[in-house]
Amino acid sequence: GQSLEQPSEVTAVEGAIVQINCTYQTSGFYGLSWYQQHDGGAPTFLSYNALDGLEETGRFSSFLSRSDSYGYLLLQELQMKDSASYFCVRTGGFKTIFGAGTRLFVKA
Amino acid sequence: EAQVTQNPRYLITVTGKKLTVTCSQNMNHEYMSWYRQDPGLGLRQIYYSMNVEVTDKGDVPEGYKVSRKEKRNFPLILESPSPNQTSLYFCASTQTSGVTDTQYFGPGTRLTVL
Repeated sequence: GQSLEQPSEVTAVEGAIVQINCTYQTSGFYGLSWYQQHDGGAPTFLSYNALDGLEETGRFSSFLSRSDSYGYLLLQELQMKDSASYFCVRTGGFKTIFGAGTRLFVKA
Repeated sequence: EAQVTQNPRYLITVTGKKLTVTCSQNMNHEYMSWYRQDPGLGLRQIYYSMNVEVTDKGDVPEGYKVSRKEKRNFPLILESPSPNQTSLYFCASTQTSGVTDTQYFGPGTRLTVL
């Protein structure tokens, strides 16, 4: 199969750290990306992992373990503007598979 | 400014009336793709194109056609739209580098088929 599993909703408070997990079942896996989408907007790229380990970009980090078919997105120092949907995306060759998305609610 | 544009942004039509949603990118990207987004399902790939005159089916190609006659344009064609094609559509382009796989998305087209 080529599905990805991620939680449907996560709630956290401003200033906290939140981790959004993603597991995937796929053959021909090439890499895992993360995208953010605000209500009414288009998805925007956050991070990409082709190799095992942690990639850090400012407040956002992404991790991949190919042996466990698992990755996560870590958001630090949460801000209200981080309230959005987050998608893990499997890339392999030219086909792209999106997870169903995790809705993050950041509370004051 | 590097961007992906789509037109129209909103469209209400009736069953069976052929329509085309245009997509254009100014980044000289080789790879372009169409997605539809429905509540609770994330984005699902309809068709993709690896370069001019090279296209292939994604996960949900039924009822759609595409063409890639020029590098910058990748129109989505609905020959006979049906109500189950009511959705939010996104076009995206990328220049895969082997290191990153950034897709740049257009603003979306909200289509309603009555």
